[in-house]
Amino acid sequence: QVQLQESGPGLVKPSETLSLTCSVSGSAISSYYWTWIRQPPGKGLEWIGYIYYNGTTRYNPSLKSRVSISVDTSKNQFSLRLSSVTAADTAVYYCARAPVAAPAAQWGWGQGTLVTVSS
Amino acid sequence: QSVLTQPPSASGTPGQRVTISCSGSSSNIGSNFVYWYQQFPGTAPKLLIYRNNQRPSGVPDRFSGSKSGTSASLAISGLRSEDEADYFCAAWDDSLSGLVVFGGGTKLTVL
Repeated sequence: QVQLQESGPGLVKPSETLSLTCSVSGSAISSYYWTWIRQPPGKGLEWIGYIYYNGTTRYNPSLKSRVSISVDTSKNQFSLRLSSVTAADTAVYYCARAPVAAPAAQWGWGQGTLVTVSS
Repeated sequence: QSVLTQPPSASGTPGQRVTISCSGSSSNIGSNFVYWYQQFPGTAPKLLIYRNNQRPSGVPDRFSGSKSGTSASLAISGLRSEDEADYFCAAWDDSLSGLVVFGGGTKLTVL
């Protein structure tokens, strides 16, 4: 059974870059879409984007200019970078896994990590 | 403003049947599968329904999904107190360069 664990700073200053890593165990990093999703406090889910093990990415157009997802197959990890953050980027950030044939089907999720943007 | 539209709240009494709707468009629900997630406070969402109406192993058959045109529904029969949670619909959207879109979520209260 796949397990995902997010890690990274819980507090980021406005205009700086948010960086999170998701460590994957119980599954090879290949053959799936490795996804980031966020949820502002008390609000709904927003898909940020995914990466395939070969480095192919797809991002939410609303965030595309600020987001970058990378993968490190040797460490079985993938990472999120979101630049020029504002208070609107405060959210619980989840990493998740979806099959290539169904990128909207997140079968496994991390527990989530709250990132607050504040000075 | 979410791409998929859900009612913000729904409620029912134990034993009742409750349905939650999810409305989209031809670029998402109209041409792709719909997925439903269940989320309890402070926890990550869990996949409840996939490919419109399929239940993952371990999901009770009290939960069922359906799709017609550009709308989908989640039905919960024999409502139980432990069903009180937030429910989100999701689908792939073919517009722009393609992305996953979610509904705003429906908070289900068991009275």
